[in-house]
Amino acid sequence: AQTVTQSQPEMSVQEAETVTLSCTYDTSESDYYLFWYKQPPSRQMILVIRQEAYKQQNATENRFSVNFQKAAKSFSLKISDSQLGDAAMYFCAYRETSGSRLTFGEGTQLTVNP
Amino acid sequence: ETGVTQSPTHLIKTRGQQVTLRCSSQSGHNTVSWYQQALGQGPQFIFQYYREEENGRGNFPPRFSGLQFPNYSSELNVNALELDDSALYLCASSSKGGTSGNTIYFGEGSWLTVV
Repeated sequence: AQTVTQSQPEMSVQEAETVTLSCTYDTSESDYYLFWYKQPPSRQMILVIRQEAYKQQNATENRFSVNFQKAAKSFSLKISDSQLGDAAMYFCAYRETSGSRLTFGEGTQLTVNP
Repeated sequence: ETGVTQSPTHLIKTRGQQVTLRCSSQSGHNTVSWYQQALGQGPQFIFQYYREEENGRGNFPPRFSGLQFPNYSSELNVNALELDDSALYLCASSSKGGTSGNTIYFGEGSWLTVV
């Protein structure tokens, strides 16, 4: 069974600074998807960024980028120029290519200090 | 705005009762999944429905059941409620076989408190 581990229960960053959230996963599959979701206090799960495992190039969405290390099964999220609105719980998630089931990590609570 | 709507947003039930939660999926999406998110934890997969059939189930007992209707909306039913069932229940919709790359959209969830 696939597992996703987020080893940082809490992180904090100063506004305008850069922060990296860590995620590792375990799977025997060679092709899959990885995601970072943001969950603000409203509890709406919002997709931040996604990575296809067959792509070597790291995904980037504006201030959000990932460092995908397939051999190490590592998938970290970098947030540049942090903004107050980035404060939320962040979840790393895994999905097989053939299905729609997501396996989530335990989450990292990000605080952005003004 | 994801187009996935859930109801009710909050409810309180007594231990032993039954509850039904509802989800309207995004237009064109034929797959609905349900997740349970306990406080301070990541969401856990309950089950998934595709074209009105259960298409995968997580580690949840049979008292958790569901339905998907021809319009792809869905219900989650929980019988014999226990205190540990208190959680946020998230509905997610996607389009299996579509060209969207199976992007999954979540609703805002239903908060269930069992007392």
